[in-house]
Amino acid sequence: GESVGLHLPTLSVQEGDNSIINCAYSNSASDYFIWYKQESGKGPQFIIDIRSNMDKRQGQRVTVLLNKTVKHLSLQIAATQPGDSAVYFCAEVLSGGYNKLIFGAGTRLAVHP
Amino acid sequence: NAGVTQTPKFRVLKTGQSMTLLCAQDMNHEYMYWYRQDPGMGLRLIHYSVGEGTTAKGEVPDGYNVSRLKKQNFLLGLESAAPSQTSVYFCASSYSAGGYGYTFGSGTRLTVV
Repeated sequence: GESVGLHLPTLSVQEGDNSIINCAYSNSASDYFIWYKQESGKGPQFIIDIRSNMDKRQGQRVTVLLNKTVKHLSLQIAATQPGDSAVYFCAEVLSGGYNKLIFGAGTRLAVHP
Repeated sequence: NAGVTQTPKFRVLKTGQSMTLLCAQDMNHEYMYWYRQDPGMGLRLIHYSVGEGTTAKGEVPDGYNVSRLKKQNFLLGLESAAPSQTSVYFCASSYSAGGYGYTFGSGTRLTVV
């Protein structure tokens, strides 16, 4: 909901521009990463994922880049649309036993016409 | 095909009251989870279940109890609500433990006054 977005960093972009959302993860042993989109009043929705043995993965209008050296993920959205306005957050998966998901706090993307 | 359904969507409790949040999934998923989401923070795992009749503690289990009597349902109980439990609660389910195929519900906004 709306209160989730309070205190989050905000990225403002013009409709049609490309967006880049960044995420720093904490554990070098994480072997799987996921990007989620959360619209106001809704639950998180899966966007794209990437395994640690990859550097880049592309989906429809979205690309995820993984830099394991600096423990950094980015989500690139091409030709950003008003419907892309939401909170985006990454999750890292630590393997072993129950595979634990660690979620980042998120970034709010605001798309202006 | 409802996916993951949470009830209720909103609730206001007085300190000390009890309540149960219900999560139901129709995807025959083995794994179910309860998370809480607070402003400016990532989702935090409260409790989870790896199958019917099983439950386990997550990161922030204190003050909550859970039950998984039926595979499709995962209940989250607050025995004596406290203002610190004011949050948005999300249920999720998945077919595997590895972070793959997570489906989230739309959330329950709980306010404890």
